[in-house]
Amino acid sequence: GDSVTQMEGPVTLSEEACLTINCTYTATGYPSLFWYVQYPGEGLQLLLKATKADDKGSNKGFEATYRKETTSFHLEKGSVQVSDSAVYFCARMDSSYKLIFGSGTRLLVRP
Amino acid sequence: GAVVSQHPSWVICKSGTSVKIECRSLDFQATTMFWYRQFPKQSLMLMATSNEGSKATYEQGVEKDKFLINHASLTLSTLTVTSAHPEDSSFYICSASTLTGGTDLAYNEQFFGPGTRLTVL
Repeated sequence: GDSVTQMEGPVTLSEEACLTINCTYTATGYPSLFWYVQYPGEGLQLLLKATKADDKGSNKGFEATYRKETTSFHLEKGSVQVSDSAVYFCARMDSSYKLIFGSGTRLLVRP
Repeated sequence: GAVVSQHPSWVICKSGTSVKIECRSLDFQATTMFWYRQFPKQSLMLMATSNEGSKATYEQGVEKDKFLINHASLTLSTLTVTSAHPEDSSFYICSASTLTGGTDLAYNEQFFGPGTRLTVL
């Protein structure tokens, strides 16, 4: 069935380092794709989204490009901050508007 | 952005009792609400989808008689864990959406509540 696969964490980086969290999906057609962020003790927040091939979602310095050739939606940020420490979930929406989540990647940014 | 609240934020109960969790959309009308379960350090698993005024649709493997869902209004859905057992201990998260359906398949955003941590002793 349709699924989302993202890299396992935890990912530990120093402040101002570059971040890439890989995400790939399987699906028929071109589903909408999302990145959500979950800060400690909080619910999920939408970070960015892309609804069609070649779209680039961006927010708070994070970016992800919808690549249909590689069925990927990797999350990137050029310079991470301590406040970016959280769990990041890649997700896709199926034809019933249900979200299918990846397993989540924990990011820890050290000062 | 749209705000979704959950109550309570955490609850501890004895095995065999029932627990009700509320999910409210505070500043918009939610035609559809989703209930998820999240185990420690794992992803969210969709339990059921509820539409206002109709029966919930449960995902495969989710017991509908154990996890009772009611979506009585456009701003409120409740999840009742009946006869709770320790294995039901988890983080339960709801989301709310104003699904428009139709021919626009691009996107219908879900707004997530902060979650409810259930511990069954």
